[in-house]
Amino acid sequence: SSELTQDPAVSVALGQTVRITCQGDSLRSYYASWYQQKPGQAPVLVIYGKNNRPSGIPDRFSGSSSGNTASLTITGAQAEDEADYYCNSRDSSGNHLRVFGGGTKLTVL
Amino acid sequence: EVQLVESGGGLVQPGGSLRLSCAASGFTFSSYEMNWVRQAPGKGLEWVSYISSSGSTIYYADSVKGRFTISRDNAKNSLYLQMNSLRAEDTAVYYCARDGDGDYVEGYFDYWGQGTLVTVSS
Repeated sequence: SSELTQDPAVSVALGQTVRITCQGDSLRSYYASWYQQKPGQAPVLVIYGKNNRPSGIPDRFSGSSSGNTASLTITGAQAEDEADYYCNSRDSSGNHLRVFGGGTKLTVL
Repeated sequence: EVQLVESGGGLVQPGGSLRLSCAASGFTFSSYEMNWVRQAPGKGLEWVSYISSSGSTIYYADSVKGRFTISRDNAKNSLYLQMNSLRAEDTAVYYCARDGDGDYVEGYFDYWGQGTLVTVSS
C-alpha cells in the first residue's frame, strides 16, 4: 500500500507564508486533499483537487503539486491557523483505498 | 446543512464487539460514497473503510480486514461499522466521512462527523 510523508512540525511567524509538504508515490497519479484539525475537533477539508477551496475556507490557503510532492501554502498565516494538517490521497493501487500522511503540527509564532 | 452524527462508541473488553452508527442528514445519502476514519489518542488519522453509494463495493484497511464490516441503510440514511475481535490498538475516535463528488483523481472527504470514542480495555 502507499505511504504519504509529512514533516512532523513546522512553524511560521504571524503574517508570514508557510508551506507544508506531503510526499508519496500515489501523488504522481492522484491529487492530495488537505485537512485542518484543531484540538478536540473533527478534521476540516481545506484544499482538494488541483487547487480548490471549499466554501468558507479563506483564500490564504492554496495547494499545488509537482511529481510526487503536494504542498499546502498558507499566505499570511493567522493565529487561528495553528493546527494539525493532514494530507490524503487515493492509494496508488487504483481502487478506493485511501492513505493519510502522518500530519504536520503548525505553530504560528 | 449536511450533518453526520456518529454514535455507538464506548468501553469494550479486548475480543469484544461494538457497532457504530452514523446518521446522515441534509443531503441525498443514497447518492454518496462513505468512509470510516479513525484517530488513536494523540496520533494521526487512519482511513478504515469505504462503501459505495449502493453498498455493492467495499474496501478495508489491512489493519481491520476480517474483523470490521461496513454497511449502510439508504432507507434510514445511516452508515454502520460492525467491529468484532476488538484489540487495544483499535482504541480511537471513529469518524464517518463523506466522499466528495469531484473527479475520481481528486478523492477527498468533504464532510466529517464529530466522532465517537471507542476504548478497548480490560
